[in-house]
Amino acid sequence: QSGLTQPPSVSAAPGQKVTISCSGSSSNIGNNYVSWYQQLPRTAPKLLIYDNNKRPSGIPDRFSGSKSGTSATLGITGLQTGDEADYYCGAWDNSLSAVVFGGGTKLTVL
Amino acid sequence: EVQLVESGGGLVQPGRSLRLSCAASGFTFHDYAMHWVRQAPGKGLEWVSGISWNSGSIGYADSVKGRFTTSRENAKNSLYLQMNSLRVEDTALYYCGRGRAVTIFGSNFDIWGQGTMVTVSS
Repeated sequence: QSGLTQPPSVSAAPGQKVTISCSGSSSNIGNNYVSWYQQLPRTAPKLLIYDNNKRPSGIPDRFSGSKSGTSATLGITGLQTGDEADYYCGAWDNSLSAVVFGGGTKLTVL
Repeated sequence: EVQLVESGGGLVQPGRSLRLSCAASGFTFHDYAMHWVRQAPGKGLEWVSGISWNSGSIGYADSVKGRFTTSRENAKNSLYLQMNSLRVEDTALYYCGRGRAVTIFGSNFDIWGQGTMVTVSS
């Protein structure tokens, strides 16, 4: 099953801002909501962003999401060492009738 | 406390079967769709299956279609994944996740269990 496309890794210094891209198609991102997950080492994924740009209760506003056409972006400001994790985007795919995820992006806070 | 607890994983030979369970607590189970997501060692997330609140809609990834069956018992606050004809490539940590809606048509999973490991090997 075709998934969404993310960069394998990104890095930035503490306090800086980073963005992670997620590219899809009209069958998924283009016509459905995007979600973002954070997976810290050896833990279950955690929902960071849902419906493109909404944050669940308890998620700090340092995390933001946006969508344009068939691409989405996760933004993280004021980077902390505790933000080092794998980040995944996801969306429903109308053609596959399935949820598709990106391959994941490893964030390193230098 | 809102919680999902998976069980039933283990070591199984190729071609054999295994049934996973997910016990929910702390929320009204029948108000939500439920999903299974797996993660092979060192790999990314892969959606396996989703089931709507009343079992009226069930979806599967192509990789498991025809081999895996998802079901739920709302009276027991439980979700199940029956896995038949297991393959080596099914080896993964299997998570159950709560959808944010009653239908399976979305990728917003707001509660996750800790996962149960399935290893398929001879």
